[in-house]
Amino acid sequence: AQSVTQLGSHVSVSEGALVLLRCNYSSSVPPYLFWYVQYPNQGLQLLLKYTSAATLVKGINGFEAEFKKSETSFHLTKPSAHMSDAAEYFCAVSDRDTDKLIFGTGTRLQVFP
Amino acid sequence: NAGVTQTPKFQVLKTGQSMTLQCAQDMNHEYMSWYRQDPGMGLRLIHYSVGAGITDQGEVPNGYNVSRSTTEDFPLRLLSAAPSQTSVYFCASTGYTEAFFGQGTRLTVV
Repeated sequence: AQSVTQLGSHVSVSEGALVLLRCNYSSSVPPYLFWYVQYPNQGLQLLLKYTSAATLVKGINGFEAEFKKSETSFHLTKPSAHMSDAAEYFCAVSDRDTDKLIFGTGTRLQVFP
Repeated sequence: NAGVTQTPKFQVLKTGQSMTLQCAQDMNHEYMSWYRQDPGMGLRLIHYSVGAGITDQGEVPNGYNVSRSTTEDFPLRLLSAAPSQTSVYFCASTGYTEAFFGQGTRLTVV
């Protein structure tokens, strides 16, 4: 069965600092991987996705993630945090034959001035 | 183009009551799904559908029922509400590997 593990339920950074949110996946077949963001009292919005093209994927709002098969990881990064990045971030996996998304438990990002 | 429309946004139920959460999409997607979101547990899949007339169970289906009579609509029914069903519910519609989410329904069962 597919699954994702997000290390760290809370991450705090200063404005301007590097953001690193960790995600490791488990899948018996090459997966599709996603990062979603959720702002308070809203639904989820797609940040970026990996579907087997380039392993370095660029998303919205300056975020990017790198698919590393050897490490079964898909960590999310942003070089310089902004106050508006404060939100909850979810990593998700699906297999290539279905659209069934399995989510991690989420990481809440706090950005301090 | 409204995307995914979920109603209601808030609901309070008494234990044992039943209700239906509505979800509609206008993107002609075949795949739709329902999730519940609880603190520290992320989003867990309740039920999903790969097209009209076809539904299947997800990770946490007990106490919920779904049907898919049209491509556009995918309602979620709580048959006999329990306090353990207090949660935020999200409907999603998926096309070309991207899931579009509704704004959520915050349900409290007392």
